[in-house]
Amino acid sequence: QVHLEQSGPEVKRPGASVKVSCKASGYTLNRYGINWVRQAPGQGLEWMAWVSGINENIEYAPKFQGRVTLTTDILTNTVYMELKRLRSDDTALYYCARTGVAVAPRPYYFDSWGQGTLVIVSS
Amino acid sequence: EIVLTQSPDTLSLSPGERVTLSCRASQSVSARYLAWYQVKPGQAPRLLIHGASSRATGIPDKFSGSGSGTDFTLTISRLEPEDFAVYYCQQYGTSPTFGQGTKVEIK
Repeated sequence: QVHLEQSGPEVKRPGASVKVSCKASGYTLNRYGINWVRQAPGQGLEWMAWVSGINENIEYAPKFQGRVTLTTDILTNTVYMELKRLRSDDTALYYCARTGVAVAPRPYYFDSWGQGTLVIVSS
Repeated sequence: EIVLTQSPDTLSLSPGERVTLSCRASQSVSARYLAWYQVKPGQAPRLLIHGASSRATGIPDKFSGSGSGTDFTLTISRLEPEDFAVYYCQQYGTSPTFGQGTKVEIK
């Protein structure tokens, strides 16, 4: 059974960085990509980035290019998302979500989701 | 970037009613690469439909999707109490984008 377990909540100062983890179980990370999607309070869903499973191709939403870094640890089946130069409007619930197509060349739809990680940016 | 506009923003309905949600794209969505998700308070999004009309694993057939090009629809044939939620469309023909969501609330 596919399960994505994310790290716990974070409180950060503006300008700092945050690194959120997403540990996959029930399947091997090298076959399915992982996406990051966030939801700010009272707002909708926003796709941020994707890393492929098989060759670690990465695609970033233009808005986050240069501020988001994705890394993969195949040995622990874990993907990390680091967001730098945090601002107050980065306060949101951050989700990892599995791409629903095996060995996909780019992000598709998202068939399994983590529980979300709350990141609060406040001075 | 493909902008998705959902309508209406909010629907107030009673259990048992049929509901139709709309998602319109700013440009054609290739290969019908359009998905729908259900989001309830305190829960992660749940995939309902992909490929515009294919139900995800375990999704009951009261949910159906249709459309192509720039106009897509999610239909719930008969609303049940657990269906009151926010629904989002998402295109993945290009870099993924979501609509702003439609809230289906109890009348």
